[in-house]
Amino acid sequence: NAGVTQTPKFRILKIGQSMTLQCTQDMNHNYMYWYRQDPGMGLKLIYYSVGAGITDKGEVPNGYNVSRSTTEDFPLRLELAAPSQTSVYFCASSYSGAEDNQPQHFGDGTRLSIL
Amino acid sequence: AQKITQTQPGMFVQEKEAVTLDCTYDTSDQSYGLFWYKQPSSGEMIFLIYQGSYDEQNATEGRYSLNFQKARKSANLVISASQLGDSAMYFCAMREVNNYGQNFVFGPGTRLSVLP
Repeated sequence: NAGVTQTPKFRILKIGQSMTLQCTQDMNHNYMYWYRQDPGMGLKLIYYSVGAGITDKGEVPNGYNVSRSTTEDFPLRLELAAPSQTSVYFCASSYSGAEDNQPQHFGDGTRLSIL
Repeated sequence: AQKITQTQPGMFVQEKEAVTLDCTYDTSDQSYGLFWYKQPSSGEMIFLIYQGSYDEQNATEGRYSLNFQKARKSANLVISASQLGDSAMYFCAMREVNNYGQNFVFGPGTRLSVLP
């Protein structure tokens, strides 16, 4: 029962570097999300996707890009890493259907530090 | 405007006692869902309980129950018989529907500490 898998778990980047945070889910969920969680704070939505080929901005999209070529995968791209992007990143997925009681399922998070 | 408000940044409770974590929300939708998640110090997000806007009864899941007052737009989490393992951050979240589909909005969280 893999659920939502995020890689890597930890990463240190230098300012200006780029990287992709990977997220894959095996529950055939149509919705996927990327959040960031700064220390002692709640989750802020970066991007989300309602299905393959469809993505949209959340509350804090600047500095990030996403793509959704398959139902399973939803990678998050940082093009020019900045210290303000130091955070814990969570990927989540959910199913939207006739029943609206489906919660989000979260990955274990990626702890990213920009130095 | 903040859509989910959790007014208690931190709470303390004695082991074996009950505790209520507050959550108020703001929405003009008729249909919405409210969720509570637990985040222990290890960092993962654990789903606890769900309440639908049309549910007439308060949701319960084991030691967790949700005190849902729709007119007041509040969805407080009640944990009965607190255990040391309940020490964690607790987030209230609301599913809302917009032009693009659904979205989840999270509150700032409440840090619960259970004292032995």
